[in-house]
Amino acid sequence: AQSVTQLDSQVPVFEEAPVELRCNYSSSVSVYLFWYVQYPNQGLQLLLKYLSGSTLVESINGFEAEFNKSQTSFHLRKPSVHISDTAEYFCAVNRRGSQGNLIFGKGTKLSVKP
Amino acid sequence: DTGVSQNPRHKITKRGQNVTFRCDPISEHNRLYWYRQTLGQGPEFLTYFQNEAQLEKSRLLSDRFSAERPKGSFSTLEIQRTEQGDSAMYLCASSFERRGGVETQYFGPGTRLLVL
Repeated sequence: AQSVTQLDSQVPVFEEAPVELRCNYSSSVSVYLFWYVQYPNQGLQLLLKYLSGSTLVESINGFEAEFNKSQTSFHLRKPSVHISDTAEYFCAVNRRGSQGNLIFGKGTKLSVKP
Repeated sequence: DTGVSQNPRHKITKRGQNVTFRCDPISEHNRLYWYRQTLGQGPEFLTYFQNEAQLEKSRLLSDRFSAERPKGSFSTLEIQRTEQGDSAMYLCASSFERRGGVETQYFGPGTRLLVL
């Protein structure tokens, strides 16, 4: 069975500071990896995903995540955050070849302060 | 394309009552998923449909829960004899299965249920 651990439940940072949201997974099989973001009072939105190929994946709003197979990690990073990045971020895995249901971590609340 | 929609957005009910939620997926998406999210937790998978067939159910889906997708389009999730522990956000997601590809699940805004 797969599981996802998000090590930090809350991450407060100041605007324009760098941030890293950590995600580790456990699985005995190959997985696909996702980061979803949930802004206040909105639904989950896909931020980025790793399927295969380059281990560094990027989103359109400046976030990136790197798949590290040896450390079973998929940490999310942004070099300079904005107030508008305040949201809850969820890491998720999907077993390759499975029927598609995602397994989520508990989420990390990113709070960006001016 | 207006995305995945869910109705109602909020529901308050008394313990023991039945409730029904509706999900309208993105048109032409053949897969539809239901998840439940409680406070401080990530979404947990409940069940999913491929077209009108319910292909998988989580052990979280007790016999008080039933889901349908009668024509392979919208879906309903019914909870009978609600309990306070059913209070949660119920999320619906849809995706398009393409052979050899990987789906991206698109989520609706959710229905927040409060059982008093």
